[in-house]
Amino acid sequence: AQSVTQLGSHVSVSEGALVLLRCNYSSSVPPYLFWYVQYPNQGLQLLLKYTSAATLVKGINGFEAEFKKSETSFHLTKPSAHMSDAAEYFCAVTPGGTSGTYKYIFGTGTRLKVLA
Amino acid sequence: DAGITQSPRHKVTETGTPVTLRCHQTENHRYMYWYRQDPGHGLRLIHYSYGVKDTDKGEVSDGYSVSRSKTEDFLLTLESATSSQTSVYFCAISERTGGSTDTQYFGPGTRLTVL
Repeated sequence: AQSVTQLGSHVSVSEGALVLLRCNYSSSVPPYLFWYVQYPNQGLQLLLKYTSAATLVKGINGFEAEFKKSETSFHLTKPSAHMSDAAEYFCAVTPGGTSGTYKYIFGTGTRLKVLA
Repeated sequence: DAGITQSPRHKVTETGTPVTLRCHQTENHRYMYWYRQDPGHGLRLIHYSYGVKDTDKGEVSDGYSVSRSKTEDFLLTLESATSSQTSVYFCAISERTGGSTDTQYFGPGTRLTVL
């Protein structure tokens, strides 16, 4: 069985400060991992994904995430927060490779607030 | 943006009435999904489809049914709506091909209120 835990349902950072959103996963098979962003009253948009090609993944809008198997983590970071980064962020896991049911397991989300 | 539309975008209905939500895609993707989003729960899978007339249950399927008679349309039906089904519903699509990572693309959502 797979699961995802996002630590901190709300995170506040100052504009220009480091953004760190935490995601830990549990998976009995090598996983694929995703970060999505949701702006108010919109659907989810893919930020980045890990598919075993490289452990450090760069995404859109300056975000990146590092897959750490030993820590079962896939934390999302951005060196300098911008006001436009205020949104809700979701981590998701699905079985990698050619097996699996193509179903995602989502975390409960982290709402990021950026302070001026 | 992936070509996914959901209709209606907003709906208010009364307890006990049937409700059908529609997801339409123009990407010809094989897989389609229905999720509900609730505070503190993230997104939870209701049903999904892996082809025309091929569907399966997700983790919160009780009280919901789905149908897929064409590749482009995936319908979610609440046979008799209850207040616990007040939520935001998202449709998603994906296509796993050789080397693909099964990225899911999401529609804009439908906000359903059951009074």
